[in-house]
Amino acid sequence: RKEVEQDPGPFNVPEGATVAFNCTYSNSASQSFFWYRQDCRKEPKLLMSVYSSGNEDGRFTAQLNRASQYISLLIRDSKLSDSATYLCVVHNDYKLSFGAGTTVTVRA
Amino acid sequence: EAGVVQSPRYKIIEKKQPVAFWCNPISGHNTLYWYLQNLGQGPELLIRYENEEAVDDSQLPKDRFSAERLKGVDSTLKIQPAELGDSAVYLCASSSRDSSTDTQYFGPGTRLTVL
Repeated sequence: RKEVEQDPGPFNVPEGATVAFNCTYSNSASQSFFWYRQDCRKEPKLLMSVYSSGNEDGRFTAQLNRASQYISLLIRDSKLSDSATYLCVVHNDYKLSFGAGTTVTVRA
Repeated sequence: EAGVVQSPRYKIIEKKQPVAFWCNPISGHNTLYWYLQNLGQGPELLIRYENEEAVDDSQLPKDRFSAERLKGVDSTLKIQPAELGDSAVYLCASSSRDSSTDTQYFGPGTRLTVL
């Protein structure tokens, strides 16, 4: 079983729509959690950290459910520029484990 | 502030040839990581350095891969000999200290194609 699993998508949504997706992680002792964004043929970049109480950053909302060991990301009012692959990342013992990514395509 | 620099950006070689990738981390970042990313997958850690010490190389295939960070700044990752399955993007990342709260900043990667 992979340490971090994500629905690969793709999620094809119109501009202005809300899109949400999850990832699950296998290590219950995982210490911290992140969402990274990766554009096509570019490097991953930190989108946001995920806190236990849930957190927002503009149109992006991240949630953590430790009991069920999943993390979610919700994007409101989608923009064309949100089209990317979103990588779920789990931190254990100084090591980041990446999911394979969820691809989101926002269409005009 | 300059980001993580990697070179070359692209490399095409024939199988059994050697290849080397270079990384210059963000100034002041003492932790450096090498990742491998296959198409459609997330990055996978190969090796992590704290200054010049390789503190986690458990995922590095040591029969053909080697890495060094002699002065605790720049790093080189080498493959010898390369195999077809080594075709991937090799990403270098750095962070200011090795803790869960510090962001890892990635370089643009080296896209390796082995023919």
